[in-house]
Amino acid sequence: RKEVEQDPGPFNVPEGATVAFNCTYSNSASQSFFWYRQDCRKEPKLLMSVYSSGNEDGRFTAQLNRASQYISLLIRDSKLSDSATYLCVAKTGGFKTIFGAGTRLFVKA
Amino acid sequence: DAGVIQSPRHEVTEMGQEVTLRCKPISGHDYLFWYRQTMMRGLELLIYFNNNVPIDDSGMPEDRFSAKMPNASFSTLKIQPSEPRDSAVYFCASTGTSGDTQYFGPGTRLTVL
Repeated sequence: RKEVEQDPGPFNVPEGATVAFNCTYSNSASQSFFWYRQDCRKEPKLLMSVYSSGNEDGRFTAQLNRASQYISLLIRDSKLSDSATYLCVAKTGGFKTIFGAGTRLFVKA
Repeated sequence: DAGVIQSPRHEVTEMGQEVTLRCKPISGHDYLFWYRQTMMRGLELLIYFNNNVPIDDSGMPEDRFSAKMPNASFSTLKIQPSEPRDSAVYFCASTGTSGDTQYFGPGTRLTVL
């Protein structure tokens, strides 16, 4: 079983739609969580950190449920430019960083 | 400011040859990470350094792989001898002490024939 698991998708949604991605992690010692975005043939880039209280950045909302070891990302009012692969990340206190395999999103006009 | 710099961007080599990948982290960052990305296995952490010292190399696949960081501004990942299954994109990333954001280089696309 992988330490960080994601639904690979792809998710195909129309512009303006709301889409949610889920991620589970198996290492209860994980302390920090993030969502990264990776465009085709590019490097991953940090999208947002994930806090227990939940956090929002514009159209993006991230949630963490430590009891269920579950992380989510919600994208509202999807744009064509949101098309990318979204990587869920768990980091231990020692900086060991585990990436999920990613969820592919295609936003259609 | 320059980001993380990797070279070469593309490398094509034949099985059995030695391959050396290079990385220059962002100045002032004291953590450096090497990752490998394939379609089958996704993005895997190979090794990371703190202040030039290897901290966790449990992701290094086998003895054919080695990594060094002789100073704060340079690291290498070496594969000797290379095999076709080593074909992947190799990313280097760096971060500061808080570690919240890892900044990735553009990657080296390695093809072993």
